[in-house]
Amino acid sequence: QITLKESGPTVLEPTKTLTLTCTFSGFSFTTSGVGVGWVRQSPGEALEWLALTDSFNFQHFNPSLKSRLTITRDSSWNQVLLTLTNVGPDDTGIYYCAYKAPATLLFDSWGQGMLVAVSS
Amino acid sequence: QSILTQPPSVSAAPGQTVTVSCSGSYSNVAYSSAAWYQQFSGAAPRLLIDHNDKRPSDIPDRFSASRSGTTATLTITGLQTGDEADYYCGAWDNVINAGVFGGGTRLTVL
Repeated sequence: QITLKESGPTVLEPTKTLTLTCTFSGFSFTTSGVGVGWVRQSPGEALEWLALTDSFNFQHFNPSLKSRLTITRDSSWNQVLLTLTNVGPDDTGIYYCAYKAPATLLFDSWGQGMLVAVSS
Repeated sequence: QSILTQPPSVSAAPGQTVTVSCSGSYSNVAYSSAAWYQQFSGAAPRLLIDHNDKRPSDIPDRFSASRSGTTATLTITGLQTGDEADYYCGAWDNVINAGVFGGGTRLTVL
């Protein structure tokens, strides 16, 4: 059974750097084609694809946020970290961690999500 | 402004059939087809159909997907009140080399 869980700060001040951790189980980056990524959803808005890292250690980013995003993986701890620099009010939302199976292009399983609020 | 275009809302009566369209381009929907997600209020999205038109084992065959050119379509037959949710399409875009989502469609079962 694949599970993912997001953790990190729930409130953050503007201009700070957001670091979120996705802790997963039920799969491993040793499986070719596996990926873990992030999606966010601002209040009342649509899903926004953010980033993906895969078993080949490739990283993909939303072009509109690429300059502010970093995604890294810690295989020894089954974790993937997402950092977003210089946050502002528009970065408030629910951040989801998600799993991509080898044969698919998007996400197959999702974490429960966590709400991050940017506020002074 | 989402890269994939969906109607904001659709509605139909219980037992009827409803379709949700997802309009993209040659670099996303035409390239990878679309995956479809269902999101109930206050919950995380869940995969309904992947880009290979495969459903997870717990998704009933009332949900199906198709594609014609740059437009993907989700079809739900035998509508139930429990199907009321937001539905999103997603695809891989091979120009920007990233995933993209539609703006979401709210389904109301009258």
